[in-house]
Amino acid sequence: KNEVEQSPQNLTAQEGEFITINCSYSVGISALHWLQQHPGGGIVSLFMLSSGKKKHGRLIATINIQEKHSSLHITASHPRDSAVYICAVSSLRGSRLTFGEGTQLTVNP
Amino acid sequence: GAGVSQSPSNKVTEKGKDVELRCDPISGHTALYWYRQSLGQGLEFLIYFQGNSAPDKSGLPSDRFSAERTGGSVSTLTIQRTQQEDSAVYLCASSPGTSGSGMDTQYFGPGTRLTVL
Repeated sequence: KNEVEQSPQNLTAQEGEFITINCSYSVGISALHWLQQHPGGGIVSLFMLSSGKKKHGRLIATINIQEKHSSLHITASHPRDSAVYICAVSSLRGSRLTFGEGTQLTVNP
Repeated sequence: GAGVSQSPSNKVTEKGKDVELRCDPISGHTALYWYRQSLGQGLEFLIYFQGNSAPDKSGLPSDRFSAERTGGSVSTLTIQRTQQEDSAVYLCASSPGTSGSGMDTQYFGPGTRLTVL
């Protein structure tokens, strides 16, 4: 079993829909990261959180430390949100990231 | 300001050859990471440098892989006697390294796509 599990693996939505991507982890962490990877490969850090909730524009990330679970929400989705979303954790041992397999999101107009 | 840069962007090599991949982190960032993304697979950690501390090499897949970081800035990942399974995108990331273990945002470079024929 991977230390970081994401679901779903693939997600197709219509423009305007509310989207949720889930991440569960099985190790102690110092922080959880949500990353975005567009076609062409560039990776951008969206959020880093260790508790509670963070919001940036239409994106919201939450984490429940007790349940070892995080969600990434996208409100009013848009075709430009189409990308791979990756959950990653920094372990208690150090800063190295352990990654989930990613969620391929496609938002159709 | 300038982000993390990597060179070359693409590298095609023959099996058995050695390759060097370069990473220029964001100026002032003390932490530098190398990751690998193989085709159809997720990202995996290779090696981590933090300041003058001994690097965390626990992710290197074999002794054919090595990395250096000179002067606390530029890093070079070297793969000796390349094999076809080494084909992947090699990503470098840097972070300020000031907020303690695991609490820094990491900034990724564009990657080097390595193809071993």
